[in-house]
Amino acid sequence: QVQLKESGPVLVQASETLSLTCTVSGFSLTNYGVIWVRQPPGKGLEWMGIIWRNGNTDYNSALKSRLSINRDTSKSQVFLKMNSLQTDDTAIYYCTRDGYGYNYWGQGVMVTVSS
Amino acid sequence: DTVLTQSPALAVSPGERVTISCRASESVSTRMHWYQQKPGQQPKLLIYGASNLESGVPARFSGSGSGTDFTLTIDPVEANDTATYFCQQSWNDPHTFGAGTKLELK
Repeated sequence: QVQLKESGPVLVQASETLSLTCTVSGFSLTNYGVIWVRQPPGKGLEWMGIIWRNGNTDYNSALKSRLSINRDTSKSQVFLKMNSLQTDDTAIYYCTRDGYGYNYWGQGVMVTVSS
Repeated sequence: DTVLTQSPALAVSPGERVTISCRASESVSTRMHWYQQKPGQQPKLLIYGASNLESGVPARFSGSGSGTDFTLTIDPVEANDTATYFCQQSWNDPHTFGAGTKLELK
């Protein structure tokens, strides 16, 4: 069955770089895009960016200057890197699969940025 | 970027009909999707393509609209529908979410 799972550090220092991994199973990254979405505590969902099935990427314009999304199709993994972290980057980070709507989500990983 | 504006928090009684609105700052065709999120859980897809019910979602949920104006309807509302509902568009890049509508039961 389709599964996505986020992994990475739960505590990051301000000004450092966040690196997260989304490991997928049940589908191929060459057939579906994967999106990163984040949610600050008590707030709404923010679309961060997508890596399409052809490997192209699109980013939220507000994050574009410090965000990159890559993948390793052989390992079924998608990677998020975001630099120059600030405390307001504290959030739950989700990966989700593209389709007609996002119908498969990971459980999310809570990342706290400490000053 | 396409801005999605949602109706504010709503409070309804079980058994009633509720409509949650979402207005886009530019046309998104019918590439509008609706999610339900309960505390401590990831979002759950309810409606895709403006009006298509996701598999396994009760028929009490329905969606309508095209272009810039969309609605999610729950009829009748049940107690466990207490949640925040988000709209999201995938027509324009980057894709965007609305701020969410918190539904409370009286």
